[in-house]
Amino acid sequence: NAGVTQTPKFRVLKTGQSMTLLCAQDMNHEYMYWYRQDPGMGLRLIHYSVGEGTTAKGEVPDGYNVSRLKKQNFLLGLESAAPSQTSVYFCASNQNPGPIGVYEQYFGPGTRLTVT
Amino acid sequence: DQQVKQNSPSLSVQEGRISILNCDYTNSMFDYFLWYKKYPAEGPTFLISISSIKDKNEDGRFTVFLNKSAKHLSLHIVPSQPGDSAVYFCAARGAQKLVFGQGTRLTINP
Repeated sequence: NAGVTQTPKFRVLKTGQSMTLLCAQDMNHEYMYWYRQDPGMGLRLIHYSVGEGTTAKGEVPDGYNVSRLKKQNFLLGLESAAPSQTSVYFCASNQNPGPIGVYEQYFGPGTRLTVT
Repeated sequence: DQQVKQNSPSLSVQEGRISILNCDYTNSMFDYFLWYKKYPAEGPTFLISISSIKDKNEDGRFTVFLNKSAKHLSLHIVPSQPGDSAVYFCAARGAQKLVFGQGTRLTINP
């Protein structure tokens, strides 16, 4: 059981380049999330998904797109990278809270992205 | 507009003593609160949580207290151990999402 995995672990991009970050989970979770972590800012939600084929905007969605074509995968795309997108990106997932209300999210190890 | 705030960026505690990490929130609609622990170069890991209908939850050395009237929660670690040195994030749940604080770096000194 690998939990939540992220690919790649590190990446350096030039301004204007594009890339896709892949998140995969093997826990059959319904909900998946993409966050970015910046010094002094905590974790900020970029986009999230409450099920296969659904996506929604979070707190800081500009400059990013996402897709959830399969339940186990959640992709984060940067179409034209900017230096302001230099950050550590974390993916997370959790099961549908259901009637007992379980809200614990499981996180991947992160992707460190530098845009020069 | 920071809905969840951890006003102490860092905290240093002697091994064996109690560590108290604090968190304040502004949105009274939050109904569930969590604490996460993060080591360098790793993702955050869940530590302990509390529902808004409770005022205390305990799990071994970790206890979370919730004061709804003050919109304040705290994490107590006792006794503190060297392995507790990490960044701690509090989070609050609202509308299918978690809102995180900025984090507090806890250092346990021998």
